[in-house]
Amino acid sequence: AQSVTQLDSHVSVSEGTPVLLRCNYSSSYSPSLFWYVQHPNKGLQLLLKYTSAATLVKGINGFEAEFKKSETSFHLTKPSAHMSDAAEYFCVVRLNFGNEKLTFGTGTRLTIIP
Amino acid sequence: DTAVSQTPKYLVTQMGNDKSIKCEQNLGHDTMYWYKQDSKKFLKIMFSYNNKELIINETVPNRFSPKSPDKAHLNLHINSLELGDSAVYFCASSPRDRGVMNTEAFFGQGTRLTVV
Repeated sequence: AQSVTQLDSHVSVSEGTPVLLRCNYSSSYSPSLFWYVQHPNKGLQLLLKYTSAATLVKGINGFEAEFKKSETSFHLTKPSAHMSDAAEYFCVVRLNFGNEKLTFGTGTRLTIIP
Repeated sequence: DTAVSQTPKYLVTQMGNDKSIKCEQNLGHDTMYWYKQDSKKFLKIMFSYNNKELIINETVPNRFSPKSPDKAHLNLHINSLELGDSAVYFCASSPRDRGVMNTEAFFGQGTRLTVV
């Protein structure tokens, strides 16, 4: 079985300050992990992915995430928030063992304060 | 150039009607999905097809019937629509890498279904 928990349903940061969106996963096998972003009334866009290569993964728009197996975490960070980062962020897990589906977290809404 | 395209983008219909949502991908992927996003933004898989064959059916009511005429298309037909079917429905596709699905899914823009 696989699951993912996003620890914060809503995060607010000031423009120019760091962003931290937390994600913990549970997986019986070696997982692939992803972060997707959904801007208001838009589809889902891949930010970055971890697929058992480097544990520190860099994505688009200055985001990065670190896979920590000992903590079963895959937190998303960005050094300096921009107004355009305001969106819903989803942490997603997929088993690397024939399981075909992506399992989504419940999402974290990121608000940027001017 | 759209990779995964869904039509229509918005769909408003009355209870009891039958409606379809179409999805096409031009990425050459083998696997396609339908996901449902509820009013709280939670995304849950409904179906997955690989090369026109159903591989995942996540306890979705029989009123929902996916149809895959070829591996580039996965349409969703819904019979006897109910108020609770109101949601955003996302189509997605993934490639296959030596039999293991370790890659991301590419999503369409979503179809906002409102049942009144």
